[in-house]
Amino acid sequence: EVQLLESGGGLVQPGGSLRLSCAASGFTFSIYAMSWVRQAPGKGLEWVSAISGSGGGTYYADSVKGRFTISRDNSKNTLYLQMNSLRAEDTAIYYCAKDVGSGWFCFDCWGQGALVTVSS
Amino acid sequence: EIVLTQSPGTLSLSPGERATLSCRASQSVSSSYLAWYQQKTGQAPRLLIHGASSRATGIPDRFSGSGSGTDFTLTISRLEPEDFAVYYCQQYGSSPYTFGQGAKLEIK
Repeated sequence: EVQLLESGGGLVQPGGSLRLSCAASGFTFSIYAMSWVRQAPGKGLEWVSAISGSGGGTYYADSVKGRFTISRDNSKNTLYLQMNSLRAEDTAIYYCAKDVGSGWFCFDCWGQGALVTVSS
Repeated sequence: EIVLTQSPGTLSLSPGERATLSCRASQSVSSSYLAWYQQKTGQAPRLLIHGASSRATGIPDRFSGSGSGTDFTLTISRLEPEDFAVYYCQQYGSSPYTFGQGAKLEIK
């Protein structure tokens, strides 16, 4: 069974940093691209960032480019999102999402989400 | 950026009825790279349809997708109680990979 488990969410002040992790199991992690998708409270879904299976290709939404960094450790089956210079508008549930393939950016499995709150 | 507009915003129907949800793109979605997701309150989204019309693994055949270019439709042939949720369309043909604003399907 495919499972994705996020961790690392919490309360952070504006301008602060946070790193999210996503532990994957039940599939060959290194074959699949992975993404982070967020959802602000009561709002819709926003794709944030993606990374290829090898980690050699990374992609970002304009809203986070230069502030967030996606990475992965295929030896640990873990996906990361380093978030710097956080703003109030980054407050959201952050979902880790498995790609249907090697880089389609369509997501067939999602984690339960990690809540990030940016507030003073 | 491709903007996806879903309609109606809320659809009120009874179990057993047919539901039709629309997703219109601001420009053509390449190769019909259009997906539909279902999200229930407090849960993560679930993939229903990809490639505009292909059901994801384990999705019942009462769910179907159609369309191409800029106009796409999700149809639920006979609503079951568990189908009442929020539905999102997503285009993955060009970056950024955008979602519609969501459409709520509620029990009448």
